[in-house]
Amino acid sequence: AQTVTQSQPEMSVQEAETVTLSCTYDTSESDYYLFWYKQPPSRQMILVIRQEAYKQQNATENRFSVNFQKAAKSFSLKISDSQLGDAAMYFCAYRRTSRGGSNYKLTFGKGTLLTVNP
Amino acid sequence: EAQVTQNPRYLITVTGKKLTVTCSQNMNHEYMSWYRQDPGLGLRQIYYSMNVEVTDKGDVPEGYKVSRKEKRNFPLILESPSPNQTSLYFCASAPRVTVNSPLHFGNGTRLTVT
Repeated sequence: AQTVTQSQPEMSVQEAETVTLSCTYDTSESDYYLFWYKQPPSRQMILVIRQEAYKQQNATENRFSVNFQKAAKSFSLKISDSQLGDAAMYFCAYRRTSRGGSNYKLTFGKGTLLTVNP
Repeated sequence: EAQVTQNPRYLITVTGKKLTVTCSQNMNHEYMSWYRQDPGLGLRQIYYSMNVEVTDKGDVPEGYKVSRKEKRNFPLILESPSPNQTSLYFCASAPRVTVNSPLHFGNGTRLTVT
């Protein structure tokens, strides 16, 4: 079974600085997707960034970027120029590539609570 | 607006009193799923549905039931709630499983069972 590990229960960063959240995963699959979700106090689950395993290029979305190391099974999230609105719980998630009839299941890590200090 | 709507947002109940949490999506998605979120455990899948009348267990199905009689609705039923089902629940949907598309989540239902 696939597992996702976030080793940092809590992190803090100063406003305007850069922070990196760690995520490792375990799978025997060669093709899959990886995600970072943000959960602010409103409880919404907001997709931050997505990476397809077959793509070597790291995904980027504005201030958010990932460092995807497939051989090491590592998928860290870097937030640049941190803003107060980035404060939230961040979840790393894995999903196997869908095949006919398979479950579209996300396997989540336990989350990292990010605090942004003014 | 495309969305997944869950109701209620908050629910407090007592042990053994049957309850239903509703979930509806307006995007004509085939796939729907329920997750529960607990501190230190992340989100775990309870049940999922590939299409109308097609449902199956996720990782933590004990104590829950679901039904999918219509494409847009996927209610979560707790026949006899217990305190260990106190949790934050999320409904999610996606287009056909074979389409590469992220899950769309509802806004969550905070359930407390006393």
